[in-house]
Amino acid sequence: DVKVTQSSRYLVKRTGEKVFLECVQDMDHENMFWYRQDPGLGLRLIYFSYDVKMKEKGDIPEGYSVSREKKERFSLILESASTNQTSMYLCASSPPGVTKNIQYFGAGTRLSVL
Amino acid sequence: GQQLNQSPQSMFIQEGEDVSMNCTSSSIFNTWLWYKQDPGEGPVLLIALYKAGELTSNGRLTAQFGITRKDSFLNISASIPSDVGIYFCAGQRTDSWGKLQFGAGTQVVVTP
Repeated sequence: DVKVTQSSRYLVKRTGEKVFLECVQDMDHENMFWYRQDPGLGLRLIYFSYDVKMKEKGDIPEGYSVSREKKERFSLILESASTNQTSMYLCASSPPGVTKNIQYFGAGTRLSVL
Repeated sequence: GQQLNQSPQSMFIQEGEDVSMNCTSSSIFNTWLWYKQDPGEGPVLLIALYKAGELTSNGRLTAQFGITRKDSFLNISASIPSDVGIYFCAGQRTDSWGKLQFGAGTQVVVTP
């Protein structure tokens, strides 16, 4: 079974803090994704990566950055956390190729910024 | 990115009833996926569809890839309490490498 592990289920941070959200997958997937999920808005793509050290902006990259130093790990960074970044963050991975591109999700990190 | 139009937004049903939900888009898709998310968890894949007109079942769940390639449907038959959760559709456009668009979700509540 594909396993996508997010390091924290719950995080509470203060405004202005630098926040790291970590995600690890064990299926040797090339593609990894970070989403945020807010009620009524569904999942919105923040960043994605299709290879080590490669990254592409998604639909809402402002206020975020990412790092992919190893194939299995994709980190989301909030450089200076703000209250409007309080949300559920979901990491996903998928195998290579442009077809049959199923994404497998982690359990999510619920971040509260006070 | 443009979200898919998923309806209904929520459903309150009695145990044993059937459930239907759908997603539509103005774009053509080459893949439709249906996920379920339990409270406090990440989405889990239920059904994947790859061809227009395809009808696929997974237990009491049945999903169809619309013939126009712009829509998809999910049916749950004889609902049970553990069907509670949020159901998301997701689609991959033909011109969009690897990225999925998601519907806003359908919240299903099952009462005994």
